[in-house]
Amino acid sequence: QVQLQQWGAGLLKPSETLSLACVVYGGSFSGYYWTWIRQTPGKGLEWIGEITPTGSANYNPSLKSRVTILGDVSKNQFSLNLSSVTAADTGVYHCARGDQWLVPPMRYYFLDVWDKGTTVTVSS
Amino acid sequence: DIQMTQSPSSLSASVGDRLTITCRASQSISTYVNWYQQKSGKAPKLLIYAASSLQSGVPSRFSGSGAETDFTLTISSLQPEDFATYFCQQSYGTPFTFGPGTKVDI
Repeated sequence: QVQLQQWGAGLLKPSETLSLACVVYGGSFSGYYWTWIRQTPGKGLEWIGEITPTGSANYNPSLKSRVTILGDVSKNQFSLNLSSVTAADTGVYHCARGDQWLVPPMRYYFLDVWDKGTTVTVSS
Repeated sequence: DIQMTQSPSSLSASVGDRLTITCRASQSISTYVNWYQQKSGKAPKLLIYAASSLQSGVPSRFSGSGAETDFTLTISSLQPEDFATYFCQQSYGTPFTFGPGTKVDI
């Protein structure tokens, strides 16, 4: 059974960079969309972005200028960097696996494995 | 971005009740909707994908329906373990967006 475990700093000061990593246990890294989502008081659940099976990244335009998501197949892990954080970035950050169900021409995408999340607080 | 709204935002129910939660998209999204359940402090759990397909391992009392802009999640007979918050999500296009959630309590 696939499980995700993440780690990273939970307390940041404004303007610092948030860095989280998520490792995949019990399953293949290849062929999936490795995704970061956050839950904030202001916006609820928000899709941050993903690393695709081809290794390219897609980001939420609202965060794109500050976000970098990378994947490391050799380590079965992927990471999130969010620069210049403010109090608005405070929330619970989840890593998740995206998969798809192909019914040509439809491509149904869903998040089928999540971790329980890490609380990140931005405060001076 | 596609906006997802849900109603109600919260509700109180009893074991054995039939429950329906509604999700509406700001534009037509065919059947590109997923439903998740989240309990406090836990990871969200996928229940339904593609509007009506039941995720493996999810009890059959959960069902989903709808298309275009209006979708529903139904729990046919509420069980004690079903008290949680439920979210819809559109996968029609990026950025993927979520509804604000419906909290179901006793």
